[in-house]
Amino acid sequence: DAGITQSPRHKVTETGTPVTLRCHQTENHRYMYWYRQDPGHGLRLIHYSYGVKDTDKGEVSDGYSVSRSKTEDFLLTLESATSSQTSVYFCAISTTETLYGYTFGSGTRLTVV
Amino acid sequence: KNEVEQSPQNLTAQEGEFITINCSYSVGISALHWLQQHPGGGIVSLFMLSSGKKKHGRLIATINIQEKHSSLHITASHPRDSAVYICAVMDSNYQLIWGAGTKLIIKP
Repeated sequence: DAGITQSPRHKVTETGTPVTLRCHQTENHRYMYWYRQDPGHGLRLIHYSYGVKDTDKGEVSDGYSVSRSKTEDFLLTLESATSSQTSVYFCAISTTETLYGYTFGSGTRLTVV
Repeated sequence: KNEVEQSPQNLTAQEGEFITINCSYSVGISALHWLQQHPGGGIVSLFMLSSGKKKHGRLIATINIQEKHSSLHITASHPRDSAVYICAVMDSNYQLIWGAGTKLIIKP
């Protein structure tokens, strides 16, 4: 879906380095979310945002920070990447706080070596 | 115990077969969602249900609120239906709880 893009699509990084993933939307949706997906687990919420400069933690927020200085961009930062953060990261946008109208990005595959 | 359980975890079937994927949950919900994740990774929302049944093309989703159970059916399955199907519920606090997914493979 062209309304939401994630970058990069793939990244390999070394343990201890900072990494920033970007989610960009053109839909002007209020709600933005970062999830991680790991084998054997459902999607797990890392952080979410309900407006510019308004963010909150999800269930697996340790080791991650986010920023939203503009409606269209939601950044996820791993301050010091660890191997346990190797995962596929999905961004999603929504018009409401419910799942109705969710659109997902294509995902970022992050490998920490 | 997970609050959202999907079964089966993996399902392989022949083209044309009728497919059923189940989702059981243990919390009170305001809505239940079925999503499809393609082999390339993209996730697409299929249905949102709060009661009854919805149909879209060859896909049918049903929910029984009393039994806390939902099913996703695919009629006349096709290899392009091969994907991971994910159930997610929205509880009364607007918290999303995700199932682990069912990996479906349809062989020609």
